[in-house]
Amino acid sequence: DAGVIQSPRHEVTEMGQEVTLRCKPISGHDYLFWYRQTMMQGLELLVYFNNKAVMDDSGMPKDRFSAKMPNASFSTLKIQPSEPRDSAVYFCASSSRGRGGSYNEQFFGPGTRLTVL
Amino acid sequence: GNSVTQMEGPVTLSEEAFLTINCTYTATGYPSLFWYVQYPGEGLQLLLKATKADDKGSNKGFEATYRKETTSFHLEKGSVQVSDSAVYFCALSLITGTASKLTFGTGTRLQVTL
Repeated sequence: DAGVIQSPRHEVTEMGQEVTLRCKPISGHDYLFWYRQTMMQGLELLVYFNNKAVMDDSGMPKDRFSAKMPNASFSTLKIQPSEPRDSAVYFCASSSRGRGGSYNEQFFGPGTRLTVL
Repeated sequence: GNSVTQMEGPVTLSEEAFLTINCTYTATGYPSLFWYVQYPGEGLQLLLKATKADDKGSNKGFEATYRKETTSFHLEKGSVQVSDSAVYFCALSLITGTASKLTFGTGTRLQVTL
């Protein structure tokens, strides 16, 4: 299996520009998560999906961030307009639903390093 | 709310030294507990997990025991290698319905030298 695939791996953009991050989860996984990692805040959950539906986006700044999952094999995280404080590494992760609602391991992608100048 | 507290890093050890990274948690209910490892330039990988009190998770020589009485899940390894240099994250998960969100600690960087 190819694992979770993210693109691009690195993105440098200027303040005010639109940025789109992409994620392909592991085939068959029901859950997809978007995390942001910074030195100051650590690892934060922005949003997660179950079967393409948003389950919780309470960690996502909704004035400039939007997340979509148009099909089971693709998700995007869009920032518009981008700001320097959005500079971070963004991780996508996926997992399957355990039997009886039990936890299943989250598999992380390699991340996208975003720099907003 | 739910939270995870890890010891501050970096932790610097010589090869073959004993490793302990402390982790304590606060949670309502009965969480599952995890250690994830992040090697330089990579995403996080699950290292080990424990789903109920007194369970011991183990993998690659690392161990952690779920201690409900002290709300702890300390990571240990008897003899570290240079290749263990990475950032280690303690995390908890609470199942509510079908949700399985992870709450991470801030991470502890481990540096192992020859």
